[in-house]
Amino acid sequence: GENVEQHPSTLSVQEGDSAVIKCTYSDSASNYFPWYKQELGKGPQLIIDIRSNVGEKKDQRIAVTLNKTAKHFSLHITETQPEDSAVYFCAADTGGFKTIFGAGTRLFVKA
Amino acid sequence: NAGVTQTPKFRVLKTGQSMTLLCAQDMNHEYMYWYRQDPGMGLRLIHYSVGEGTTAKGEVPDGYNVSRLKKQNFLLGLESAAPSQTSVYFCASRYQGTAFYNSPLHFGNGTRLTVT
Repeated sequence: GENVEQHPSTLSVQEGDSAVIKCTYSDSASNYFPWYKQELGKGPQLIIDIRSNVGEKKDQRIAVTLNKTAKHFSLHITETQPEDSAVYFCAADTGGFKTIFGAGTRLFVKA
Repeated sequence: NAGVTQTPKFRVLKTGQSMTLLCAQDMNHEYMYWYRQDPGMGLRLIHYSVGEGTTAKGEVPDGYNVSRLKKQNFLLGLESAAPSQTSVYFCASRYQGTAFYNSPLHFGNGTRLTVT
């Protein structure tokens, strides 16, 4: 069935460094790739998304890249800050009713 | 505009007891979802609804029932709770979208359920 693999499961960086989270999807019909950030005690919140007709999208310190041929997409956070510490989920969506999530990456930003 | 509201926030049940988790959204979204989140397993879809009066099974539906009597509400029921249902439950909703436009999910802040 459809699957999204996410790596790494845990990532620890020094404040100011960059963080990269990578995901691979299996369903070639996937055409929408949102990223969610989940802070402690809260529900996931959308931070950035990319559609299949775009290769890269940037929003301030956050960027997402998509390689449709390889079925890879990645989240890049530059100049990390302590408030970036959270769990991040990638997801793939085929335009139907369901969204397939990765297992999550716990990011620690050390001050 | 409250978004997605879940009640209760916390609950402790004994094995065999029943309960209903409530989800309400004020964004006029067609689609609503129930997920459970367990350590190391991400978000798993329990049931979902694509409109008032309709429901469908997700990835892990066993032991749960749902109802969508009103567009803004989506209820998740546990008829006979088991320790394996100890988890954090999230409700989400989203705009219907089209074949060429997908929309993101909007999540509530979860219900933490413990079954002893």
